[in-house]
Amino acid sequence: NAGVTQTPKFQVLKTGQSMTLQCAQDMNHNSMYWYRQDPGMGLRLIYYSASEGTTDKGEVPNGYNVSRLNKREFSLRLESAAPSQTSVYFCASSEAQPGPEQFFGPGTRLTVL
Amino acid sequence: AQSVAQPEDQVNVAEGNPLTVKCTYSVSGNPYLFWYVQYPNRGLQFLLKYITGDNLVKGSYGFEAEFNKSQTSFHLKKPSALVSDSALYFCAVRDLLMTTDSWGKFQFGAGTQVVVTP
Repeated sequence: NAGVTQTPKFQVLKTGQSMTLQCAQDMNHNSMYWYRQDPGMGLRLIYYSASEGTTDKGEVPNGYNVSRLNKREFSLRLESAAPSQTSVYFCASSEAQPGPEQFFGPGTRLTVL
Repeated sequence: AQSVAQPEDQVNVAEGNPLTVKCTYSVSGNPYLFWYVQYPNRGLQFLLKYITGDNLVKGSYGFEAEFNKSQTSFHLKKPSALVSDSALYFCAVRDLLMTTDSWGKFQFGAGTQVVVTP
């Protein structure tokens, strides 16, 4: 039982390049989330997927797109990376109903030059 | 709208002394409240949660938290801190009110760095 896995662990991009961050969970959770973590700002929600087939914007969705590929996988895409997107990105999953806690992946450290 | 405030950027405590990390929240309905811990270069780990019932919640690694509805607070406590408790702590809230846009979303505080000295 690996929990929530993310790839890659580290990535350096040049401004304007694109990339996709991958996330998968093996806990049969319905809901999945993408956050970014910046110093002094805690975690900010980028997008979430309450269940397979649905996605919704979070607090900071601009510059990102997501795909809920199936129940297990939720990817985050940067179409044209900008230095402001330099951050640590975390994927998380939880049951759909309010109450259960989220489980987090180990994170992807992204630098955009 | 929901929000979470952690008023202290850093808390310093000597090993063996009590540790308190403060959290206050604002939600439209009733809250689900959570505490997470993050060690360097790691993801967040769940510590404990309040959903309903007893206002004192016990969690992992000897931590506990007290829900205070009148003060809209959910402070994290540990009676005797360890050096290994040094980490970044996050409070989070999830709104139970299903008609608001915030339903299903977690709102995290900015985090409090805990430093426990030997």
